[in-house]
Amino acid sequence: DVKVTQSSRYLVKRTGEKVFLECVQDMDHENMFWYRQDPGLGLRLIYFSYDVKMKEKGDIPEGYSVSREKKERFSLILESASTNQTSMYLCASSFATFRTDNYGYTFGSGTRLTVV
Amino acid sequence: DQQVKQNSPSLSVQEGRISILNCDYTNSMFDYFLWYKKYPAEGPTFLISISSIKDKNEDGRFTVFLNKSAKHLSLHIVPSQPGDSAVYFCAPRYSGTYKYIFGTGTRLKVLA
Repeated sequence: DVKVTQSSRYLVKRTGEKVFLECVQDMDHENMFWYRQDPGLGLRLIYFSYDVKMKEKGDIPEGYSVSREKKERFSLILESASTNQTSMYLCASSFATFRTDNYGYTFGSGTRLTVV
Repeated sequence: DQQVKQNSPSLSVQEGRISILNCDYTNSMFDYFLWYKKYPAEGPTFLISISSIKDKNEDGRFTVFLNKSAKHLSLHIVPSQPGDSAVYFCAPRYSGTYKYIFGTGTRLKVLA
């Protein structure tokens, strides 16, 4: 069964801490994405990567960075966690090429991060 | 600027009745429209899609309708079941790309 695995389901961190969220996929997908989900705001794109060592800013990149050293792994980094970064974080992956049998992204189960 | 709007944040429906979830968009450059379903503490999962060249796609209890002139799509669930209770996101795709835009979601509650 194909999977996108996020390393933690729940995390509690203190304000100012550096936080790493890890995501691994086993589908040989080129593209990987980080979203956050907040009530009333839906899913908002933070960063995405279309190749190893490549990254692009999404709609809300401020306060975040990413790392993609291997094709299967995409890490989200909160440089100095703040309370407004308390959220559900979702990792996703997809093929790069245009496909007509389109199933979009495969998502991980999410990480619920609380910053206190 | 919200390109994809789901104007109903929540919806309650009696078991066995029809659920209709709506989605409006502003960009004419979308070529595929997907619906995702999300349970609490889980990632979204793909439900059904429709190409921009069609106006209807059906898969079991789920039917998606697309009205391109009105830039509107809807998801119909018939009959609704308690297990359908979840948040539903519409997600159009920019033409020829891998980039999707997600709506704000509608929380559906199916009452037994």
